[in-house]
Amino acid sequence: AQSVTQLDSQVPVFEEAPVELRCNYSSSVSVYLFWYVQYPNQGLQLLLKYLSGSTLVKGINGFEAEFNKSQTSFHLRKPSVHISDTAEYFCAVSIYGGSQGNLIFGKGTKLSVKP
Amino acid sequence: DVKVTQSSRYLVKRTGEKVFLECVQDMDHENMFWYRQDPGLGLRLIYFSYDVKMKEKGDIPEGYSVSREKKERFSLILESASTNQTSMYLCASSFLAYGYTFGSGTRLTVV
Repeated sequence: AQSVTQLDSQVPVFEEAPVELRCNYSSSVSVYLFWYVQYPNQGLQLLLKYLSGSTLVKGINGFEAEFNKSQTSFHLRKPSVHISDTAEYFCAVSIYGGSQGNLIFGKGTKLSVKP
Repeated sequence: DVKVTQSSRYLVKRTGEKVFLECVQDMDHENMFWYRQDPGLGLRLIYFSYDVKMKEKGDIPEGYSVSREKKERFSLILESASTNQTSMYLCASSFLAYGYTFGSGTRLTVV
């Protein structure tokens, strides 16, 4: 069975500082990997995804993530955060080639950007 | 872009009422999902459907049922609403395993 661990439940950071949100997964089969963002009282929005190819994936709002197969990690990074990046971030996996598409989510990381 | 529309953003219902949460997607996706989201518990899968008239139980189906009569519509039904079903409900659709598109969510309060 697959599982996803987001190592930090809360990450406080100052504006314009870099940030890394950590995600590790466990799976006996190949997976697709995703990061979603949720702003208060809204649904989740796709930030970026890794399906195949280059292990460095760029997403919206200046975020990027790197797939590391040997470490089973998919950490999310941004070199300089803004106040507007304050939100909750979810890492997720689905089974490579799966037809039913179920995502397994981590518990989420709340990013708080302070002025 | 795929759009997933949930019929209500905020809903207040009384204990014992039958509650319908509607979700419509416009991109012909086979797969549709209902989650609830509660603080500290993350997203929990209630039911999903991978085809019309097909449904599968998720992790927490008790107290809920679903209906998928048409490909684009997936309804979540609370047969007799209880206060412990107060939550944020999220609908999503997907094409194969390529990730979800979520609706904006329905915040349900049962009083």
